This record gives sequence, C-alpha cells and structure tokens, in this order.
Amino acid sequence: GENVEQHPSTLSVQEGDSAVIKCTYSDSASNYFPWYKQELGKRPQLIIDIRSNVGEKKDQRIAVTLNKTAKHFSLHITETQPEDSAVYFCASSGGNKLVFGAGTILRVKS
Amino acid sequence: NAGVMQNPRHLVRRRGQEARLRCSPMKGHSHVYWYRQLPEEGLKFMVYLQKENIIDESGMPKERFSAEFPKEGPSILRIQQVVRGDSAAYFCASSRQVMNTEAFFGQGTRLTVV
Repeated sequence: GENVEQHPSTLSVQEGDSAVIKCTYSDSASNYFPWYKQELGKRPQLIIDIRSNVGEKKDQRIAVTLNKTAKHFSLHITETQPEDSAVYFCASSGGNKLVFGAGTILRVKS
Repeated sequence: NAGVMQNPRHLVRRRGQEARLRCSPMKGHSHVYWYRQLPEEGLKFMVYLQKENIIDESGMPKERFSAEFPKEGPSILRIQQVVRGDSAAYFCASSRQVMNTEAFFGQGTRLTVV
C-alpha cells in the first residue's frame, strides 16, 4: 500500500526564519497532496494542498512544491511566527483515503 | 455550516465495555473517514464509508471494531470489549467527493480505557 515518509521529525527555527518540511510517497497513482496543521489537543486543519497537475502553489507565507518524477513534495513556511508552532502532517491520496506522514513538530523560538 | 461534529469529545470506558463514537459530516458531504491517533503519533486510516456502504476498511482491526454510516443519522465507530491499547484520539473526516479533494476533520473523541 501507499507509504508516506516525512522529515524532519522535529524542527526548531528562530522567529522570522523559514521552515521546510519534506515528504516522499510511494504510490505513483497518488494525485492529491494536502498539508495539515495540528495544535496540541485540537483537530488537524487543512492549510494548503496541491494536485498532481501543478508543480507549486502559494498562499501568503505558505507554499508547497511537488516533484512527481521524484515522488516528493515539500512545505515551505516563510517569516515564521510563534503561532506557527504546531505539528504538521503531509498526506497523499490516489483514491479512497489519505495516507499521512508521521508528522513534524515545528517550534518557532521568539 | 457547523463543520464535522463528533461526540462525545471525551469518553472513559472500563476494560471490557463498549465504546460508541459518533460523527456527523459537514452538510453536503457524503464521504466519511475514521482515523486513529495514538499519543504523539500520526493519523492512521481505519475505514472509509459512504451512506450505507463500507468502501474501504483495510485499516480497521478485524475483531471488536465496526463502523456504519446509516441512511439517516451520524456515522458510528463501535469498539466492543475495549482494552487499554484502544486508548487514543479517534478523528472523523468528511469530504464532498472521494479523498482527492479537501477533507475536513472533526474535533475528535479522546477515548480512555481504564
């Protein structure tokens, strides 16, 4: 079945710096790649997604890139703020379900 | 639109009891997914349902776990004879179409087995 690997598992950055989280997937049929942010004790919230017919998508300080050939996609957060501190999950889907990465704990130090 | 609603938010059960978790999808969404999240871990797929049909239950344990999404009413995840290892957060998500479009999660039910 589909497998999604996510790196790093933890990431500490200084406020204002950029953060990059990377994921690889195994199923070449996957065509939808969302990113979720989960704060402690709360629900996962969709922050950005990308489909396989697009290489890059940006929404304010957040961007996602997709390399279908290499089967990897990345989340980029610029000008990080303390409120960006959370767990971030990548996921991929080729049909019936989202398969999630193990998550990245992002800590933004002020 | 109230979003995906799950209840209860917290559920405590003694070993051997039954746990029933409910999920009402967003209005207009007919696809429901259940995920389990152990403390400090990721989200593991359990089951995907449409109204009155189980589409994919490949992530659900073969014994003690069952799910339904009746024609009327919420989707229910049922865990019989709970054990301590069932303690986790159970999240429900819904989408308008199959999961290559936006899926939205409920607040989760935190099950504690004592």
